[in-house]
Amino acid sequence: DAGITQSPRHKVTETGTPVTLRCHQTENHRYMYWYRQDPGHGLRLIHYSYGVKDTDKGEVSDGYSVSRSKTEDFLLTLESATSSQTSVYFCATISQGGNTEAFFGQGTRLTVV
Amino acid sequence: QQQVKQSPQSLIVQKGGISIINCAYENTAFDYFPWYQQFPGKGPALLIAIRPDVSEKKEGRFTISFNKSAKQFSLHIMDSQPGDSATYFCAALGGAGGTSYGKLTFGQGTILTVHP
Repeated sequence: DAGITQSPRHKVTETGTPVTLRCHQTENHRYMYWYRQDPGHGLRLIHYSYGVKDTDKGEVSDGYSVSRSKTEDFLLTLESATSSQTSVYFCATISQGGNTEAFFGQGTRLTVV
Repeated sequence: QQQVKQSPQSLIVQKGGISIINCAYENTAFDYFPWYQQFPGKGPALLIAIRPDVSEKKEGRFTISFNKSAKQFSLHIMDSQPGDSATYFCAALGGAGGTSYGKLTFGQGTILTVHP
């Protein structure tokens, strides 16, 4: 899995609580992404980063924030979790230049009750 | 707003048949079009990819056909095998010079089932 680790792998949380998911990579890739995967919707981009402290919104960014203080870590925060945010979350990375293959983590299954 | 549209949502083929999945995109700033394969419980993995200056790319049983003027591309799986049963995603990556530079957008996915 190209050195991408997501934590936690599973989490159950209550509505209204903040939740932070972590993506850690050892590949020194410049680009990092957070997606959510839901049946019938495929992979939808939440936020992505093109460098340290450089982030941009994806198509489903409402209710989510991200931070990237160093190359290897990209954090996704659900500011106040809702049941509609129950999903499987994937982190992905792409190296800078040339090889543009995206590598994915194993996913985090989040349940908001 | 889905910038990459994929069809069909599900596909059933017999062993040895041809599986065809289609995608269409809107943003002409996309300059890299990969296909990913995902097995249950796993993250997606790159299967094959193409750039818009090429109309076709073949790797083994997998072929991408690309139509730049129509803004469409498709994946063909020849001699489909039960082991090919998985979810397939097309994607598009924003190229340099556009507002979506580095943005990797996926289609909705196709669940492929190959019957023995």
